[in-house]
Amino acid sequence: DIQMTQSPSSLSASVGDRVTITCRASQRISSYLNWYQQKPGKAPKLLIYAASSLQSGVPSRISGSGSGTDFTLTISSLQPEDFATYYCQQSFSTPYTFGQGTNLEI
Amino acid sequence: EVQLVESGGGLVQPGGSLRLSCAASGFTVSGNFMTWVRQAPGKGLEWVSVIYSGGSTYYADSVRDRFTISRDNSKNTLYLEINSLRADDTAVYYCASGGTFSSIDYWGQGTLVTVSS
Repeated sequence: DIQMTQSPSSLSASVGDRVTITCRASQRISSYLNWYQQKPGKAPKLLIYAASSLQSGVPSRISGSGSGTDFTLTISSLQPEDFATYYCQQSFSTPYTFGQGTNLEI
Repeated sequence: EVQLVESGGGLVQPGGSLRLSCAASGFTVSGNFMTWVRQAPGKGLEWVSVIYSGGSTYYADSVRDRFTISRDNSKNTLYLEINSLRADDTAVYYCASGGTFSSIDYWGQGTLVTVSS
């Protein structure tokens, strides 16, 4: 199985900050990397698919990059609604494993 | 509008069984890949199972041989049959549909399964 490792596990930031979350796969996954945002008590929401493609309706301050084994999610200027938990997921091969999550807090 | 509505969760004793249902609208379950993802209380997301449009199914190692994913095209509904339940199966179970690059683009609201005596 492909292991996904996110860092950091938690992150404190302020409105207006630029933040980056990294995700590393245990083997090469091309660009089959997705990012999700989850708020307490809610289902996850797809932000980025195929490593860098922005899902419809997601603000452009959110971006993704990377390929192979190393990926990043960047939020260029944090807004209050961005404080949440973020997960990466590989969809290269089953089981489609998730990272452990990054809790972004104020 | 795409909608996924799960049902069937509840309290069950260890060793018991449940069938989770996920009624879809706005698209056909047979035309997409459909997946189940679970989240134990206070924990991260865990991918559970997938059924592709062609009918192939795959499972996480932790649930293989105990869980069965299926769909009823006439009812446009996805199912997850869960057997031999254990305490560590306690979680919110999300039904979701697949998108581009096998991402998960639509999610249900989740149904809670609690395994306890």
